[in-house]
Parts: sequence; structure tokens; C-alpha cells
Amino acid sequence: EVQLVESGGGLVQPGGSLRLSCAASGFTFSSYEMSWVRQAPGKGLEWVSYISSRASSIYYADSVKGRFTISRDNAKNSLYLQLNSLRAEDTAVYYCATVAFDPHWGQGTLVTVSS
Amino acid sequence: DIQMTQSPSSLSASVGDRVTITCRASQSISSYLNWYQQKPGKAPKVLIYAASSLQSGVPSRFSGSGSGTDFTLTISSLQPEDSATYYCQQSYSTLWTFGQGTKVEIK
Repeated sequence: EVQLVESGGGLVQPGGSLRLSCAASGFTFSSYEMSWVRQAPGKGLEWVSYISSRASSIYYADSVKGRFTISRDNAKNSLYLQLNSLRAEDTAVYYCATVAFDPHWGQGTLVTVSS
Repeated sequence: DIQMTQSPSSLSASVGDRVTITCRASQSISSYLNWYQQKPGKAPKVLIYAASSLQSGVPSRFSGSGSGTDFTLTISSLQPEDSATYYCQQSYSTLWTFGQGTKVEIK
């Protein structure tokens, strides 16, 4: 069974940093492209970032470009999102998801940016 | 970016009704269209992938159709547990985009 478990969320002050992790199991993680998606409170879904299976291609939404960094460790079956220079508008639940014909999503981790 | 436009933004229907939600892409996306159901406080759940394939475990009253730019999610007989927000998502581009959501309420 495909499982994606996000962690690392929490309360951080504006300008601060966080590192989110996504632990994958139940499939060959190293063969899958992955994405992060976020959802601000009461809002819709927003794609954040993409990474190819070997990390040779990486893309970001304009809203996070230059502040967020996606990475992966295929040996550890893990996906990461480094969040820097955080703003109030980055407050959201962050989900990791497989980029596949039949996508799978994790349960999400909440990031709150507030002083 | 590919824009996804969903309609209606909300609807109210009775148990047993047939419900249809539409999604239009700003350019052809072939069949690279997924439908999600999201309940409050929960992660989005994949209902339909590749426009018309039912995700394992999803009730058969849910169905999807369409290709190119116009797509439809149909609930053949609305049940109380179907009260949720539904989103379409294109995966034709690596830069995913989502519809704005349709909130379905039970009368």
C-alpha cells in the first residue's frame, strides 16, 4: 500500500525557516516524480514544487521561487521541502504527492507563519 | 500556465439526485485530468484519475468523462456522505493547476 507521511510543520515567525519531510513507503520511490501542494486555511489547492525521480528537473511556483527548495533522498525514500524567508501567506497545510497516472497524496503537515 | 475553471462553485441537492460538476481547461490536456473529494480537515482523496478511471475503493456512483478541454464529474445518486468540496486538477503539465472547487451540500 502506498503511504506518504509528511512531518516538520509547526509555528514559525515571519522570516523564519522550516524543513518539511515526506516519508514514502509501499512503492519504488526512486522511480517516481514527486510534487508538493499546499492549501491555505479556507482556500483551494495550490501546486508548490516538482522534482523528477533523479532530481534532474525541478520546478517551483512563482509564489515560492527563490525561497523554497525541494530535494529528495532516494536511499532514504524521502522527499523534502526547505522553506526559507517565510511569510504570513505561506501559512497552509503542505501535502506531498506522487506525480503518476494514479496519484497518491499524504495527509499533510500544517505550517503556521505568525509572530 | 493552464487555467482550470470549475462550475458551479457550490450546489445543494437532495439524497438520490444526480449531480454533475464540470471542469474546463484553458488548453487541451488530453485525458490528464483528476478529480478529488475533500472533507473538512482531511486531505484530498483521489476519486477519478485520467479523466474516467475510478480509483480503487471509490463507490461506483462516481464517474468521470471528457477529454481535451471539457470534463465532467457525475455522482449518479447523491448520498449524505458525499457532502464535500470537489476539485479538478490537470496533470498534463508538470506545473499542476487546480479548479477553484465545488462545494456540494445535501438539502
